[in-house]
Amino acid sequence: KQEVTQIPAALSVPEGENLVLNCSFTDSAIYNLQWFRQDPGKGLTSLLLIQSSQREQTSGRLNASLDKSSGRSTLYIAASQPGDSATYLCAVRSSGYSTLTFGKGTMLLVSP
Amino acid sequence: DAGVIQSPRHEVTEMGQEVTLRCKPISGHNSLFWYRQTMMRGLELLIYFNNNVPIDDSGMPEDRFSAKMPNASFSTLKIQPSEPRDSAVYFCASSLGGRAKNIQYFGAGTRLSVL
Repeated sequence: KQEVTQIPAALSVPEGENLVLNCSFTDSAIYNLQWFRQDPGKGLTSLLLIQSSQREQTSGRLNASLDKSSGRSTLYIAASQPGDSATYLCAVRSSGYSTLTFGKGTMLLVSP
Repeated sequence: DAGVIQSPRHEVTEMGQEVTLRCKPISGHNSLFWYRQTMMRGLELLIYFNNNVPIDDSGMPEDRFSAKMPNASFSTLKIQPSEPRDSAVYFCASSLGGRAKNIQYFGAGTRLSVL
């Protein structure tokens, strides 16, 4: 059974810092990995999707990497802003499955 | 498109009552997912439909939970009878189908409180 772990559970940084969120998964047989953002009281918004054949994906100040063999992904946020404050969730789609397994998320607070 | 629409946004009910949560997926999407989110367990898949047919309901906690998708534009998740431990945020998501590349789009969720 696939398990997804996110570290740290919470992170507080001053505005302008570059930061890294970590995600690890136990079964490396995956189709893809997604990073989502969840704002308080809201649903999830997909930020980046990395296919199993890819090593990284970039969108603006966000860069996600994938090391399938070691079961790890990182989400790099450059020049953080208060508007980046949210919970970031990592989700893995395992091979042979159509569903996602989610981590519990990292709650990020960027202070002005 | 308005995105995935869930109703109600908030539901407060008493233990033992029936609760029905509703979801309208994005038009054209043929996969629909129901999730439950709690602080303790995070986001868990309850059931997944493809072309209106339940494919995987292994996440449904017990017989008190049931889900239907009578057509491509509507799904319900019913809890009968409800219990305090069912209190959580319930999300519905839809995607274009079983292909690996497809992203799931989430609704805003229904926050359920069972007293």
